[in-house]
Amino acid sequence: EIVMTQSPATLSVSPGERATLSCRASQSVSSNLAWYQQKPGQTPRLLIYGASNRATGIPARFSGSGSGTEFTLTISSLQSEDFAVYYCQQYVDWPPLAFGGGTKVEIK
Amino acid sequence: QLQLQESGPGLVKPSETLSLTCTVSGGSVSNISNYWGWIRQPPGKGLEWIANIYYRGSSYYNPSLKSRVTIFVDTSKNHFSLRLNSVTAADTAVYFCARLGYYGSGNYAFDYWGQGTLVTVSS
Repeated sequence: EIVMTQSPATLSVSPGERATLSCRASQSVSSNLAWYQQKPGQTPRLLIYGASNRATGIPARFSGSGSGTEFTLTISSLQSEDFAVYYCQQYVDWPPLAFGGGTKVEIK
Repeated sequence: QLQLQESGPGLVKPSETLSLTCTVSGGSVSNISNYWGWIRQPPGKGLEWIANIYYRGSSYYNPSLKSRVTIFVDTSKNHFSLRLNSVTAADTAVYFCARLGYYGSGNYAFDYWGQGTLVTVSS
């Protein structure tokens, strides 16, 4: 069973700054990784699939990179609406479809 | 626009069975490219995948819940459902239904979600 680990648990960033979130898989997931954003009280929203492909309507300031066991979600210039919790999820080997524990991006 | 809507009791007694249904509109559960699934989120915690189903009936379960969970689909009603047996307080969570869409080259992602429904397990 593949375990997904996200770091840090909380990231404090000022508006306009870059945010870099990490996701590590316990074994290779190739590029079979997705990222989601969840704001308080809202449904998760798909940001990235295939490690680096933005979903429909996702702004270009969101970018994903990595393959194998190490992945990064970068938000190039944080906007007020980007403060949220972000989850990674692997789909190379399921069940289970494992989510990471999440990274909360908060205002510094 | 595809929409998913969960329905079911918001309160379930310990040891009883939690039953939820997800009704799909604006699209068909019989679409050959997609799976349909349930994910839950305990209050203040992260996302936990529960199960997926394909319209032909193939089902996939989280090993940690497999002994207590059943997912099934009704293509005539364009909905799919979840049953979780022998619930305890640890099963209290917001339950989301979602589509696992296929994006080619082996890529899948949960791209459409229901709004979620809070299920509390309490006597």
